[in-house]
Amino acid sequence: DGGITQSPKYLFRKEGQNVTLSCEQNLNHDAMYWYRQDPGQGLRLIYYSQIVNDFQKGDIAEGYSVSREKKESFPLTVTSAQKNPTAFYLCASSIWTQETQYFGPGTRLLVL
Amino acid sequence: GIQVEQSPPDLILQEGANSTLRCNFSDSVNNLQWFHQNPWGQLINLFYIPSGTKQNGRLSATTVATERYSLLYISSSQTTDSGVYFCAVSQTLPNQAGTALIFGKGTTLSVSS
Repeated sequence: DGGITQSPKYLFRKEGQNVTLSCEQNLNHDAMYWYRQDPGQGLRLIYYSQIVNDFQKGDIAEGYSVSREKKESFPLTVTSAQKNPTAFYLCASSIWTQETQYFGPGTRLLVL
Repeated sequence: GIQVEQSPPDLILQEGANSTLRCNFSDSVNNLQWFHQNPWGQLINLFYIPSGTKQNGRLSATTVATERYSLLYISSSQTTDSGVYFCAVSQTLPNQAGTALIFGKGTTLSVSS
């Protein structure tokens, strides 16, 4: 089955710790995106990548980092510089020439 | 940037009722999508509808691009329709890097039996 997977489903972070959220897709999509969702809010763009080895900051990139070494994978690292990381994180992908985005199941990040 | 506003913020229905959700946007857009987020957080694409009307079963959507709004109709609602409905419009990214979605805050629908 083609789709987008995210892991883990739940993640706990201690103060000062970096954590990495995984996003993998087997849809052969060129573009991948990371969004953050806070309670009662819509999604906001953190980072996006159009092709391998290239990525760009979105609206709220501070305190986050990404890599795109493979077409299928776009991991997001939440660094200790992100002071309010508790949120629901969603990964998405799309064909570059089309605008419809498909979303993974999400990762809930909580701070201990 | 483009602003996306959805109304109403919350909606409570009895099973079998019909409803209309509205999405207003502040500027011309090339694309508009409706999503349903289920109670587990999964976002499901409902419609890609930059203009015109589309129907899929009990759901239909209409976008009037010239007047900058879109409507999502749910007929004969069921408990499984519960969740949050988001409207999102496309924003062209810098350096022709494609598009990203600008989301409204959503309408939370609760359908009771």
